[in-house]
Amino acid sequence: SQQGEEDPQALSIQEGENATMNCSYKTSINNLQWYRQNSGRGLVHLILIRSNEREKHSGRLRVTLDTSKKSSSLLITASRAADTASYFCATVNSGGYQKVTFGTGTKLQVIP
Amino acid sequence: NAGVTQTPKFQVLKTGQSMTLQCAQDMNHEYMSWYRQDPGMGLRLIHYSVGAGITDQGEVPNGYNVSRSTTEDFPLRLLSAAPSQTSVYFCASSPGGGNNEKLFFGSGTQLSVL
Repeated sequence: SQQGEEDPQALSIQEGENATMNCSYKTSINNLQWYRQNSGRGLVHLILIRSNEREKHSGRLRVTLDTSKKSSSLLITASRAADTASYFCATVNSGGYQKVTFGTGTKLQVIP
Repeated sequence: NAGVTQTPKFQVLKTGQSMTLQCAQDMNHEYMSWYRQDPGMGLRLIHYSVGAGITDQGEVPNGYNVSRSTTEDFPLRLLSAAPSQTSVYFCASSPGGGNNEKLFFGSGTQLSVL
């Protein structure tokens, strides 16, 4: 089974609203990252949070991490139609070879 | 800088055929990896490499082989293609060095096995 699972699987909001996506994972991590994918293209890195951090901000993005619950959330504020895409969390395991594994993704639609 | 280059972009195979998906990066990255993406499944890790000569299995390695003889190239071989291997394949690389803080992706290969 996959390391990460995200919910909701799909989210539809109006432009200007905030979008929140959640990610849960299974093993101890070194860091957690969020990526965006437009229409089946390659993924693009958005933001990273390390295991000793609780919150990070980048522009309209806010990421939180709760290692005790093995969960993270991505908040996109004041959404735009151009934010329509799929969003994935990815974790880098701690210890051993540090491979990167992805969650199942959230498909976000922002309606103009 | 070309980044991560995958070839081919599209491929159709018959069951039982073999082929190699190519991946090359020009950023001197230590870490390279292959993923497959199926509807509703997100990206699943097939194999990865932390440097030339070092590879390891991911979540779904069966039916695939890899090798890493140079830093730049990380080919993925399908030994005997099956319809279950119909998917979109992505190669990704990272500077590595222990933290893998950002992956750079290729544009993907859409593979159909008939």
